[in-house]
Amino acid sequence: GAVVSQHPSRVICKSGTSVKIECRSLDFQATTMFWYRQFPKQSLMLMATSNEGSKATYEQGVEKDKFLINHASLTLSTLTVTSAHPEDSSFYICSATRQGGIYNEQFFGPGTRLTVL
Amino acid sequence: AQRVTQPEKLLSVFKGAPVELKCNYSYSGSPELFWYVQYSRQRLQLLLRHISRESIKGFTADLNKGETSFHLKKPFAQEEDSAMYYCALRGYNQGGKLIFGQGTELSVKP
Repeated sequence: GAVVSQHPSRVICKSGTSVKIECRSLDFQATTMFWYRQFPKQSLMLMATSNEGSKATYEQGVEKDKFLINHASLTLSTLTVTSAHPEDSSFYICSATRQGGIYNEQFFGPGTRLTVL
Repeated sequence: AQRVTQPEKLLSVFKGAPVELKCNYSYSGSPELFWYVQYSRQRLQLLLRHISRESIKGFTADLNKGETSFHLKKPFAQEEDSAMYYCALRGYNQGGKLIFGQGTELSVKP
């Protein structure tokens, strides 16, 4: 149990276009989902915390109009990179915390590789 | 400020040698500390949490509040331990978010 999926696994887009990434908890309801950005062999940088039915909480320095987060249900959160530019190219990872779980463990998705040309 | 520091970017050891991956943290309070592992082409997964005081795959980690450290240790490294290891901190009453260290790549040579 406790599987988190992301779609797509990789996406290549032209500069100026918008890209939507989905994060789903497949076999549990997630109270909270988190979005991270990871550069090659570097740390995960938390971008935002997403709670179902409420606005996302963004970390300092993350543009909320650039990275739109929608958490429509207890099993789905989406991250939309608007007007993407080459500097947005990165590995985006989501995680989800299981509702009612002990330790509030975060389960991670496999990540989405975004390449902006 | 909350911060997690992993001073070694790369740690290379031979199979059977002891290994210690260092982690120091900065937090005004009592945080929860975790070690996560990311094997090649796989997703991040939880290895250890300090609160459960367990040994997973031969790895242990002890929280030292005096030194604000949470080093990960294994007495005899195996080739399959080669991976990226991340130390992470979770503060109290902060919505569950994790603060990650920079990561240490462990390479175990035959």
